[in-house]
Amino acid sequence: QVQLQESGPGLVKPSQTLSLTCTVSGGSISSGGYYWSWIRQHPGKGLEWIGYIYYSGSTYYNPSLKSRVTISVDTSKNQFSLKLSSVTAADTAVYYCASYSNYRGDFDYWGQGTLVTVSS
Amino acid sequence: QTVVTQEPSFSVSPGGTVTLTCGLSSGSVSTSYYPSWYQQTPGQAPRTLIYSTNTRSSGVPDRFSGSILGNKAALTITGAQADDESDYYCVLYMGSAVVFGGGTKLTVL
Repeated sequence: QVQLQESGPGLVKPSQTLSLTCTVSGGSISSGGYYWSWIRQHPGKGLEWIGYIYYSGSTYYNPSLKSRVTISVDTSKNQFSLKLSSVTAADTAVYYCASYSNYRGDFDYWGQGTLVTVSS
Repeated sequence: QTVVTQEPSFSVSPGGTVTLTCGLSSGSVSTSYYPSWYQQTPGQAPRTLIYSTNTRSSGVPDRFSGSILGNKAALTITGAQADDESDYYCVLYMGSAVVFGGGTKLTVL
């Protein structure tokens, strides 16, 4: 059973860079067939896809966030990471990592989510 | 940018049937978009109900079904139960990206 766990600061100052890491257990990021994803949910709002990365390093981003987002993968640690630069209060959200199955065509495993608040 | 549309809210009586839809601001949804459906309850991560248009995820009751109805993807709940009261999201695969619908808040009363 694949499990994902987000980690990182819960509070980030405006204009700084939000950094989160997702640790994958119960499966290998390098096994292929999955796009390792970041999704966020503003308080009381819907889900927003941020982007995903294949184990080879190929990345795909939401066009609305592309200029500020970097997703990277560390196969040796079985982790992938999110960096979102120049944050504002509008980036306050619960951030989820998830795996998008290329075979099934869905987000089949999710982390529990972590709340990141942007505030001075 | 493509917008994926869902009804903001819907209400169903216990035991009733409800169909939630997932459309595009421009164009029609087909199986090529690999529509998937998720249920989210407060404080929890979403869970998959349906993937690839009409395949139920493991452990999902058969009262949930997926289809294409006209130019939209659809999630039908037959025999709604109280614990089906949740937020429901669809996701469409757009080639190199995915897009979430805005979600439907389903009330069972």
